[in-house]
Formats: sequence, C-alpha cells, structure tokens
Amino acid sequence: EPEVTQTPSHQVTQMGQEVILRCVPISNHLYFYWYRQILGQKVEFLVSFYNNEISEKSEIFDDQFSVERPDGSNFTLKIRSTKLEDSAMYFCASSGEQDQPQHFGDGTRLSIL
Amino acid sequence: QKEVEQNSGPLSVPEGAIASLNCTYSDRGSQSFFWYRQYSGKSPELIMFIYSNGDKEDGRFTAQLNKASQYVSLLIRDSQPSDSATYLCAVWGGKLIFGQGTELSVKP
Repeated sequence: EPEVTQTPSHQVTQMGQEVILRCVPISNHLYFYWYRQILGQKVEFLVSFYNNEISEKSEIFDDQFSVERPDGSNFTLKIRSTKLEDSAMYFCASSGEQDQPQHFGDGTRLSIL
Repeated sequence: QKEVEQNSGPLSVPEGAIASLNCTYSDRGSQSFFWYRQYSGKSPELIMFIYSNGDKEDGRFTAQLNKASQYVSLLIRDSQPSDSATYLCAVWGGKLIFGQGTELSVKP
C-alpha cells in the first residue's frame, strides 16, 4: 500500500540553526500538509500546499517557516533560526482531494538543544 | 476559532466489550469527519471517515455522525488489547482540526 515517507526520523539541532524536514507524499496525491505535535498535546495544523503554492497556513506558521516542493516527489518544511519551543513531532500528510482522508507519514522528531 | 472536543480519558473497557468514543465540534458547516488511531510515539493512522448523517460500519468499527447535534462517535466492538491507543477525532473545515484525543485502554 502506498505510504508517506519522512526523513529523518529524528533530528537534533542547536538552537538558532536551520533544519529541513523532508517528506515524500503518496505519488498520486495532490494536497500536502505539515502538522506538528508537541509532546502530550494535540496534533496542530501548520500548512497546506496545493499546485505549488500554500493554500492555507495557521498562526503558528510564521516567517520562521517555509515549505517547498523542489521536485516532483519531495515536499520539505524548513525552519529557520530554531527555538527551544520548536521541539515536537512533525508529521507530513497527503490526500488525493482537499477534504478526503489524509494519510500521515511516521513523523520526524525534532529536538532543539 | 473552530474547536473539536473529546474526553481525554482514559477510557477503560474489558476485552470483548464495546468501546464508545465521542467527539463534538463547533463549526456547523463542517462536512468531513475522521477518526485516527495513534499509538504512543507513533503517527496518526486513519481508522474511519464519514461524510453523511447516520452510521458507517467497517469491520469492528462503526462511525456515527449527527450534524444537527454536531457530534461524531466511534464504536469499537469486541475490543482487543491491541486497540489500546489514543483515538483522535478530526474535522475538516478548510484544514484538518484535531481533538486532543481519547486514551483507550482495553484490559485482558
């Protein structure tokens, strides 16, 4: 069964550094998403991406964050100048249509020191 | 602010019993509803989705939707210890909004 893949599974970074989290969505899906989950808290929407542009973003997704689809398969989340509070699990998801079920990758655990 | 509310639990049921998980949402215009299962330290895994009022069954799982009352529920029949996880209710309203999840514990 097709799946969303994310790399790396765990990223440890010094505060102030930049990180790039990578995702390969399901191949025939058109809508891509990033979510984060701080330990013990709910899954929070960050951004949705369709047709090579952001379609919606949350208040969390400020200028520190950016997304890109650099080629036909990858979808990346860049976090500039990381802060301690950016430590969380980051999940990538994709769906075939906008309101259809979203399938999640295994996540990247980001630890900011 | 669109909200999705769930009882955080833990909900404890004996093996073989029916587990009932409930969720309410604030946006009356919501059209799509999802249940995800999340094991500790893992990613959300899609269990069920429902778009229309009424019941939708898939194996041991039944999703129920009542748009007038703005609630959606998930029933798990013949609960197994492997069903022990956190169940996340999610509502599509331009973006997927998650509840905080209900922790289910199925005791052998």
